[in-house]
Amino acid sequence: DSGVTQTPKHLITATGQRVTLRCSPRSGDLSVYWYQQSLDQGLQFLIQYYNGEERAKGNILERFSAQQFPDLHSELNLSSLELGDSALYFCASSVEGILNSPLHFGNGTRLTVT
Amino acid sequence: QQQVKQSPQSLIVQKGGIPIINCAYENTAFDYFPWYQQFPGKGPALLIAIRPDVSEKKEGRFTISFNKSAKQFSLHIMDSQPGDSATYFCAARVGSSNTGKLIFGQGTTLQVKP
Repeated sequence: DSGVTQTPKHLITATGQRVTLRCSPRSGDLSVYWYQQSLDQGLQFLIQYYNGEERAKGNILERFSAQQFPDLHSELNLSSLELGDSALYFCASSVEGILNSPLHFGNGTRLTVT
Repeated sequence: QQQVKQSPQSLIVQKGGIPIINCAYENTAFDYFPWYQQFPGKGPALLIAIRPDVSEKKEGRFTISFNKSAKQFSLHIMDSQPGDSATYFCAARVGSSNTGKLIFGQGTTLQVKP
């Protein structure tokens, strides 16, 4: 068990809808990362937050947004959903200030857009 | 330049064999190269990692070989076991030590036959 909790595990929704994915990082980890895993694109970095502030951005669509709250949990909001957004969304956390601290991944949220 | 190319896509070996997974990169600014192991229904978990100033690193049955001049690195699994059957991802970090933004390879699905 990595200590990173993601909810829900599965989500089925229709095109055009909006969903929110939730992540609780490991105790003590200040950084949260969101990754998208699809069959054709592999694992793609979306965005990183550190102690509530956005730190790095990857190939995140404008329809997607994220935030990290004072209790350090994070939410990824996906709107105007398209069929191609169907994927596994992973959250990961790490301890900052320690060189090469590993990412600890949650078990993901599987999003199916119909 | 931001890509990490991984091969093969899939691999089948007999128990006790030594599967080798290869990765190549172009960006010489990458400074940290981890390998992640992922089982079905789980998130990726850090297996072993190496920095480019080291040519080889061993942890148990897992060895990373790193060739900085060729911009290639590989994972060797000694005395492979059926429990090693999983998907393996190489990755590279871009940016400062304060970010965990990783660029992942496409993954290799390994099957170890009893």
